[in-house]
This record gives sequence, structure tokens and C-alpha cells, in this order.
Amino acid sequence: GAVVSQHPSWVICKSGTSVKIECRSLDFQATTMFWYRQFPKQSLMLMATSNEGSKATYEQGVEKDKFLINHASLTLSTLTVTSAHPEDSSFYICSASPASGANVLTFGAGSRLTVL
Amino acid sequence: GDSVTQMEGPVTLSEEAFLTINCTYTATGYPSLFWYVQYPGEGLQLLLKATKADDKGSNKGFEATYRKETTSFHLEKGSVQVSDSAVYFCALLNRDDKIIFGKGTRLHILP
Repeated sequence: GAVVSQHPSWVICKSGTSVKIECRSLDFQATTMFWYRQFPKQSLMLMATSNEGSKATYEQGVEKDKFLINHASLTLSTLTVTSAHPEDSSFYICSASPASGANVLTFGAGSRLTVL
Repeated sequence: GDSVTQMEGPVTLSEEAFLTINCTYTATGYPSLFWYVQYPGEGLQLLLKATKADDKGSNKGFEATYRKETTSFHLEKGSVQVSDSAVYFCALLNRDDKIIFGKGTRLHILP
């Protein structure tokens, strides 16, 4: 079945640094990937839709300059948290749909970011 | 480990039919339970949630009741519409604060 891999699974960084999280579709091509954020004890919140070869579409209230998304290939999307601060500490999850249009989401295992 | 099992799709119904999508879970302790919906071409949206036993989550005519005795959180709607056609995901938030999803159920509503 379709597999989505996220890396790193856990990252700790100092305040003010930038952190990149990768989302890869391992056995399928994904024209669209989605990035979510999960706050402690809360449900997922959609942050942005990442489209291969074009700019990401951000949800209202999400700072595009802070959460940079790049979808440079059909198997890789990256989320860069720039100038991270403790309030950015969260669990970030990506999901992807096959380019075939089957529209079945596969989720990555998530990346936990802790900003000191 | 913790897991979520939901009925396989696709589920095809006529408009105004009654909908049930079954979801059962395995988890230690008392997880929070969620239903998410993915409309064509879009990301997940939270549809409803319940955080403790016997809670009923509801939204847009959909309902689900947290049943600890049967470890279930079945999604129901009394009268579906064509616009309800989507993929529905059942999920739990476990005691490690990790969200675990079911595999999703595709719903087709025919006019």
C-alpha cells in the first residue's frame, strides 16, 4: 500500500533557528500534499495544501513566511519552520494523495518539534 | 498498539438515505475520538469529536457517540445529501498525544 514517510520524527531546536521537515511518498507520486499541525490534546488543524511545482495554498491564520512549504517533486514536500519559537512546538503531520487521482489520503507518522 | 478500524468503502447511498459508518478502536486509557472528512481535492477537516465516554459529537447533521463498552464511535446521519460525498476518517488521540487514523471510508451519494 501507499506509504508516506516523514523525517525527522522528532527534533529539538533552539529558539530563533529554522527547522526543515520532509514528507516523502515512498511508492507513489503525489501532486498534492497536505500539512497539518496538532496542538497538545487537540485535533489536527490543516495548515496548507502543497502542490507540486506551484505555490502552496495556506489556510487562514497560517503565516506563510513562517511556515515555508516547498513541493519540488512528485515525491517530496518540505515544511520549514523559520525562526522557530517555543509556541511553534507542536506535532506536524503530512498527508498525500496519489497523482492518479484516487483521492485516498495516506498519512505520515508525524514530526514532533520542540523549540527550547 | 493503539489502532482504529473503520468499515471499508466505498459506501454508495441514494440521497436522503440513512448513513452509518462503523468505527471501533483499541487504546489504553480514555482516548479522545474524532471524525474527519476529506472533500475531493481538499485536506482533512474536523467533522466532530468526543472526549469522554457517552459524549455525543455532532456537526452538519452528523452524529457519533463515544461508546466505551463497545469501544466504538460510529458516524451517523439521518438523511444524506450529494454534497456529503467525501472520504471519512475515524481517529483517536491516545495518551501519548498521538493521533491514529483509520484507513478512511469513501462515501458516494447518488442524486
